[in-house]
Amino acid sequence: AQKITQTQPGMFVQEKEAVTLDCTYDTSDPSYGLFWYKQPSSGEMIFLIYQGSYDQQNATEGRYSLNFQKARKSANLVISASQLGDSAMYFCAVTPPKPISSGSARQLTFGSGTQLTVLP
Amino acid sequence: EPEVTQTPSHQVTQMGQEVILRCVPISNHLYFYWYRQILGQKVEFLVSFYNNEISEKSEIFDDQFSVERPDGSNFTLKIRSTKLEDSAMYFCASIQTGVEQYFGPGTRLTVT
Repeated sequence: AQKITQTQPGMFVQEKEAVTLDCTYDTSDPSYGLFWYKQPSSGEMIFLIYQGSYDQQNATEGRYSLNFQKARKSANLVISASQLGDSAMYFCAVTPPKPISSGSARQLTFGSGTQLTVLP
Repeated sequence: EPEVTQTPSHQVTQMGQEVILRCVPISNHLYFYWYRQILGQKVEFLVSFYNNEISEKSEIFDDQFSVERPDGSNFTLKIRSTKLEDSAMYFCASIQTGVEQYFGPGTRLTVT
């Protein structure tokens, strides 16, 4: 079984500053994938960034980067230069990245989320 | 850019009634998923569908739930006899061979 823990129910950050959202995971799979999704108040789920467990480098996507510490089983999201539009709920998720051809479903297991508010 | 679509955006139904939530995944995708999010809570996996059959399902996905891909484009979730606790946002998602699951905008189901 896989489990994701997000210990920060709410976070505040000043516009233009960086913020780190915490995520720890627990999985018995030898290989896995880690994701971050953003959910604005409108409700849709927006993919932000992905990190494979065997990736040597931390993933980056624009202002988003993933601070992956495998030994600690943590996958924190760093948002640089925060913008007002970054205010949203952020979910960390894990999935076993098994090959599609095996028939594995690769469903996402989500954490409870962190509500980020960017202050002007 | 292709996207997953879901209809309706909001469905209100009475307890005990059947509802069908509809999704049109991205056309060349192979895996299809339904997730549920009760208001204020985390997103929970319900079921995955591959090669015209269920590949995995969660404990939530009991006999009251079923999924179908009736015509090669639509992907539906049916709840046979809705309960108050089925009130939630239901998300459809699909994936081809990459890692990113593309989520639809969701259907908000309200059971009264």
